[in-house]
Amino acid sequence: DTAVSQTPKYLVTQMGNDKSIKCEQNLGHDTMYWYKQDSKKFLKIMFSYNNKELIINETVPNRFSPKSPDKAHLNLHINSLELGDSAVYFCASSQGGQAFFGQGTRLTVV
Amino acid sequence: GENVEQHPSTLSVQEGDSAVIKCTYSDSASNYFPWYKQELGKGPQLIIDIRSNVGEKKDQRIAVTLNKTAKHFSLHITETQPEDSAVYFCAARAPSGYSTLTFGKGTMLLVSP
Repeated sequence: DTAVSQTPKYLVTQMGNDKSIKCEQNLGHDTMYWYKQDSKKFLKIMFSYNNKELIINETVPNRFSPKSPDKAHLNLHINSLELGDSAVYFCASSQGGQAFFGQGTRLTVV
Repeated sequence: GENVEQHPSTLSVQEGDSAVIKCTYSDSASNYFPWYKQELGKGPQLIIDIRSNVGEKKDQRIAVTLNKTAKHFSLHITETQPEDSAVYFCAARAPSGYSTLTFGKGTMLLVSP
């Protein structure tokens, strides 16, 4: 059983398109996150949700809209994709400090 | 906010040698320090963590040390093996509210047979 799973693993799309990435965790954690990893491997927090409520939004363009239908799911919708959005996006969940990551979604905007 | 510096950015060792990766943090309130291993094409995987009430923690070939006064912590891997080759990240988290992990920039460890 995968603890944090996200789909799709790869996403190739054209500039201007809208796309979504889905994330689910079966750990029973209250807190979920989206991280962006750029080409230099730097991991940067984008959003944090606690029990379906947005807690942190780290100056991410409003083209990025997270949505948490329940505390086990946190999806990321991206409008009007730009070349600079190309990166690996990681979902994670945590409880009591320890965070567990999904396998990542490699987004390539062409 | 918290700032985490990690060194070195790359580290090459021979199989069987030890490897040490060092991190410093800026927020003296931070009290939780995990280390993650990221293999190619995979997500970061938690390998060991330490809380501020402990100075050292070991798990088989890996150990983490924490110096709260100097605000630095280190990962030690002994008897390295080729499968230890990966990118390693340190992170720090403050206890306040819903604070998140702040990551270092990563260290690419290459273990040559």
